[in-house]
Amino acid sequence: GQQVMQIPQYQHVQEGEDFTTYCNSSTTLSNIQWYKQRPGGHPVFLIQLVKSGEVKKQKRLTFQFGEAKKNSSLHITATQTTDVGTYFCAPDSNYQLIWGAGTKLIIKP
Amino acid sequence: EAGVTQSPTHLIKTRGQQATLRCSPISGHTSVYWYQQALGLGLQFLLWYDEGEERNRGNFPPRFSGRQFPNYSSELNVNALELEDSALYLCASSFPTKRQYNEQFFGPGTRLTVL
Repeated sequence: GQQVMQIPQYQHVQEGEDFTTYCNSSTTLSNIQWYKQRPGGHPVFLIQLVKSGEVKKQKRLTFQFGEAKKNSSLHITATQTTDVGTYFCAPDSNYQLIWGAGTKLIIKP
Repeated sequence: EAGVTQSPTHLIKTRGQQATLRCSPISGHTSVYWYQQALGLGLQFLLWYDEGEERNRGNFPPRFSGRQFPNYSSELNVNALELEDSALYLCASSFPTKRQYNEQFFGPGTRLTVL
């Protein structure tokens, strides 16, 4: 079945540094969703990308969908403590989401 | 608008017992998804129900089962509980599958502990 690889598994950053997580698939994706799960919480939908080469921004968050629609990334500029959590990519496959393993953003004390 | 609700919040069982978890989707949503999330790990897909039918199930043994009721609420049953079933069980709902986008809305989860 379709699988997606998300890297890195963890990223430790100083507050104010940037953060990036990558999602890669061996097959072409129809679209991809991104979710955030705060510690102790449940996943919350952030955005959906559909078009080849699409770039969407939400304040300090930038989401990209690759030209070949096989990869995607989420970049956070100048991280803040409120950004702490695990970020999941989830391509849609016939109305079912295929979840990446997630990247945990940890802010160094 | 009320979100996805799940009950109970916490459930403690012993090995060999059965657990029943419940989920009420957002009004208007006909699809319900169940996931298992072991501590600190990612989401493992369990079951998908839509319009009362089981559409797909993940790589879990048959002792994990469920159903969807006419009002689209859903129940997850886990029989013959094993210690490794201890996890957070998340339910998510989404709009009817005929829509182009089907973002999933999650409930707060049921924390199942098997002793």
